[in-house]
This record gives sequence, C-alpha cells and structure tokens, in this order.
Amino acid sequence: GNSVTQMEGPVTLSEEAFLTINCTYTATGYPSLFWYVQYPGEGLQLLLKATKADDKGSNKGFEATYRKETTSFHLEKGSVQVSDSAVYFCALRGGAQKLVFGQGTRLTINP
Amino acid sequence: DSGVTQTPKHLITATGQRVTLRCSPRSGDLSVYWYQQSLDQGLQFLIQYYNGEERAKGNILERFSAQQFPDLHSELNLSSLELGDSALYFCASSSRDRVFAHYGYTFGSGTRLTVV
Repeated sequence: GNSVTQMEGPVTLSEEAFLTINCTYTATGYPSLFWYVQYPGEGLQLLLKATKADDKGSNKGFEATYRKETTSFHLEKGSVQVSDSAVYFCALRGGAQKLVFGQGTRLTINP
Repeated sequence: DSGVTQTPKHLITATGQRVTLRCSPRSGDLSVYWYQQSLDQGLQFLIQYYNGEERAKGNILERFSAQQFPDLHSELNLSSLELGDSALYFCASSSRDRVFAHYGYTFGSGTRLTVV
C-alpha cells in the first residue's frame, strides 16, 4: 500500500538557517504529493502541493520538488523565521480517496 | 477560517462513556474524512463519506461509527471510551471524489477529546 516516511524530529534551527525536511514515499501509480503545516493549537493547513513528476510546489518561501526517480518530496526553505515553528506533514494521495500522511516533523526556530 | 467547522473544540469525558463529534464541511464539498491524531500513532485515517455514503474505511475501531447527513454534515460517534481514545480528531472535506486526486483537503481545527 501507499506510505510516506519523513525525517524524524524534532528539528531545531536558528533564525535565517536553511531548512530541509526529508520525505520519501511508496506508492503505486502517480500520486499527488502535499506538505501540510500544523501550527500550535490549530488544524492542518495545506502548505504546497505537486501533482506530477518534476513539478515544484512553492508557498511562503517553502519549496518541494516531486522527484519520481528518487520517490522524494523534500521540503526546503532558504531562511527560516521563528513564525515557521510548527509540525510539518508530508502526504500523498493516490487513486483512492484518502490522504496518507507521514508521521510529522516538529520544527522549532530559535531567535 | 478554513470553512470546515468542528464542534466541540474540547471534550472531557469519563471512560465507558459515548460522545459525538460534529463536522460541517466547506460549502460545496461532498466528501468528509475523519482522522485521529495521537502522540504515538500520528495521523490515522478513520473513515470517509461522500454525499452520504461511506466510501473508505481506515483504522477505525468497531466502537467508533460515523455518518453523513443529507445536509452533508457528518458525525463521528465514539462509544465505550477508553483512556487510549484521548486524541485530536480532525475532520476534512474535499470537493472531488476519486478522480481528481490532485486536490488536497481542507481541515477543520479539530476536537480535542480527553478521556479520564
């Protein structure tokens, strides 16, 4: 079945550092890939998405490229801010309806 | 505001009790999904409804059940509650069923259930 594996957290960085959160997936067919973000006390918000190989999703300075050859969708940001502190979830959606999530990576940015 | 409304936001109840969680999807969305988020299990898909019919089932216990009503709101019923059922329960909605897989979901802010 479909599955998503994220790098384990927690991740702690200083403000303006470069961020990478690794995500790899296993799926049949051609899934769509997503990154969701969960700020403290809130629900999940869609951060970015990519629907086919080599697509790059971007939003709020975050980027992720759909790499079919390595089955990866790593999240990157060039310069993180304290307000980026949250839990980040990688997810895929295949031919079936449901989203399959990774286990989440807690990110803390220190000033 | 995401457009997906969940009530109540917090619920504290005793073991053995039964509770009902409510979700109103975003306007125009026909699919409703329920997820459970716990510290040890992460985000687990429970069940999906599309226009009133059950479409997919995940790791949902037999003590749990759900339904979607004609006005498209959904309720998740949790019975014979155990301490381990304490979690954040999220509802999400989407505007397409199986064909348009590139649509993401819109999540509600969740119901935090504490079983004591």
